[in-house]
Amino acid sequence: EVQLVESGGGLVQPGGSLRLSCAASGFTFTSYWMHWVRQAPGKGLVWVSHINNYGSVTNYADSVKGRFTISRDNTMNTVYLQMNSLRAEDTAVYFCARGGSNFDSWGQGTLVTVSS
Amino acid sequence: EIVLTQSPGTLSLSPGERATLSCRASQSVDSSSLAWYQQKPGQAPRLLIYAASSRATAIPDRFSGSGSGTDFTLTISRLEPEDFAVYYCQHYDSSLWTFGQGTKVEIK
Repeated sequence: EVQLVESGGGLVQPGGSLRLSCAASGFTFTSYWMHWVRQAPGKGLVWVSHINNYGSVTNYADSVKGRFTISRDNTMNTVYLQMNSLRAEDTAVYFCARGGSNFDSWGQGTLVTVSS
Repeated sequence: EIVLTQSPGTLSLSPGERATLSCRASQSVDSSSLAWYQQKPGQAPRLLIYAASSRATAIPDRFSGSGSGTDFTLTISRLEPEDFAVYYCQHYDSSLWTFGQGTKVEIK
């Protein structure tokens, strides 16, 4: 069974940093691209970032470019999202998702709240 | 950047009725990269349809997708109580993944 388990969310002050983790199991991790998708309270889904199988290619939404960094550790079957210079508008549930052109498996999400 | 516009924003229907949800792209897109998701409150989204018309694993056949170019449709042939949820379309092109704003299907 495919499992994606996010962790690392919490309350952080504006300008602060946080690192999210997503532990994957139940599939061959190196065979898949991985993504982060977020959802602000009461709002829709927004794609945040992508990383390819071996971490050599990454992509970001314009809203997070230069502030967020995606990475993966294929020995640990884990994908990360380092979030710096956080803003109030980054407040959201952050989902880890597996997939190429679409997202076929999702974690349950971790809540990030940016507030003073 | 391609923008996906979903309509209607809210669809009020009764169990057993047919639901037709629309997703319109701001320019013609490759249908192989168009997907639909279902999301219930407090849950992660679930992939329903990929490549515009292919059902994902374990998705009931009352869900179907169609369309090409700029106009795509998700149809639920007969609404079951568990189908009341928010539905999103999504597209991928040139290292950019985009979602529509969602359609809420609510019980009338």
